[in-house]
Amino acid sequence: GAGVSQSPSNKVTEKGKDVELRCDPISGHTALYWYRQRLGQGLEFLIYFQGNSAPDKSGLPSDRFSAERTGESVSTLTIQRTQQEDSAVYLCASILIGAVKETQYFGPGTRLLVL
Amino acid sequence: GNSVTQMEGPVTLSEEAFLTINCTYTATGYPSLFWYVQYPGEGLQLLLKATKADDKGSNKGFEATYRKETTSFHLEKGSVQVSDSAVYFCALSDTSYQLTFGKGTKLSVIP
Repeated sequence: GAGVSQSPSNKVTEKGKDVELRCDPISGHTALYWYRQRLGQGLEFLIYFQGNSAPDKSGLPSDRFSAERTGESVSTLTIQRTQQEDSAVYLCASILIGAVKETQYFGPGTRLLVL
Repeated sequence: GNSVTQMEGPVTLSEEAFLTINCTYTATGYPSLFWYVQYPGEGLQLLLKATKADDKGSNKGFEATYRKETTSFHLEKGSVQVSDSAVYFCALSDTSYQLTFGKGTKLSVIP
């Protein structure tokens, strides 16, 4: 597609349930990032994938959070046993490293509300 | 570690007023610096960037200059419009291209 897409756009879940968020990066982009934006806050880095390298998971807030990426395509962020403090907008971004215009392009985000 | 500090909002200006949003950073090495904008109901968009000291990024009338000596990247616009109302985020990236963001500054421009 023309840009980064994410699904679902909105997700309401009950505390304790698991959720899975999906990101479709721009085709051919070599690196993919997940960020979290809590209400009134800046974006927090969660995890980073580049090519076949081991992902940088240094931003994941707890072991309830995990993410996978298949090759240089779709990524899924999974939150297990959701808590109310997980409520946030989850943003995905991709970048073509080595391109003339190396810029992260962001998806529209998934707004997660944990009741 | 890396960090970005930007002025607290919200900022309310009249149309055609001069805008400055301050941004300072802490980083090891020589990061690239960015301003992102988030319009109401829309996703995050790159507004401008600068990749080395003394570079000036510019777009849509906005400018910011990479000042290594003061570790700053202040956003300026000479004459704001109602359509500039948005949340503005200053950010830096290191060699891993991971972005570190400030908390954002909400700008409201009134006619």
